[in-house]
Amino acid sequence: EAQLVESGGGLIQPGGSLRLSCVVSGFTVGNNYMSWVRQAPGKGLEWVSGLYSSGATYYAESVQGRFIISRDNSKNALHLQMNSLRVGDTALYFCVKVFQPGWYFDLWGRGSLVSVSA
Amino acid sequence: DIQMTQSPAFVSASIGDTVTIACQAGQDISGWLAWYQHKPGKAPQLLIYAASTLRSGVPSRFSGSRSGADFTLTIRDLQPEDFATYYCQQAQSFPPTFGQGTRLE
Repeated sequence: EAQLVESGGGLIQPGGSLRLSCVVSGFTVGNNYMSWVRQAPGKGLEWVSGLYSSGATYYAESVQGRFIISRDNSKNALHLQMNSLRVGDTALYFCVKVFQPGWYFDLWGRGSLVSVSA
Repeated sequence: DIQMTQSPAFVSASIGDTVTIACQAGQDISGWLAWYQHKPGKAPQLLIYAASTLRSGVPSRFSGSRSGADFTLTIRDLQPEDFATYYCQQAQSFPPTFGQGTRLE
């Protein structure tokens, strides 16, 4: 059974950086489209970033220029480097596998909590 | 970005009831719509994609339909494990966007 396990979240001050990781089992990260989706406290779901199997990357406007999505094929893992963090980035971050065609999200992790606060 | 308007925000129901949740797309997305179930502390689950295709393993009491830009999730014969928050999501246009969620209590 496929599994996605996120880690790396925590409490950080505004302007700081964090790196989220997602270790995957049951399928190959490099052969699939992957994404990060977040949920701010009391809010709905928001797509954050995507990584195609080709290596192309995509970002929501709200994180463009601050976040970097990448993968480590040797560890079958997905990462999200988050820089210049803002209070508004506080959320539970989910690692997600994309089901094609279209942007359907068919496998999710349980999430990693990022809290940005002074 | 395509706005997805989901209603109601909350719905109260009992075991055995039938519940419908609505989702309206801000522009034409054809049938590129998914429904997800999310329980606190758990990973969200894809229930339905392409507006009405039930994902393998999802109980048949869940169904989805489309009428133009209006979409509906119907849950028949509610079971205890169905109490959760449900989200619609458009998968047609980049970036993918979600409805605000419907909490089924």
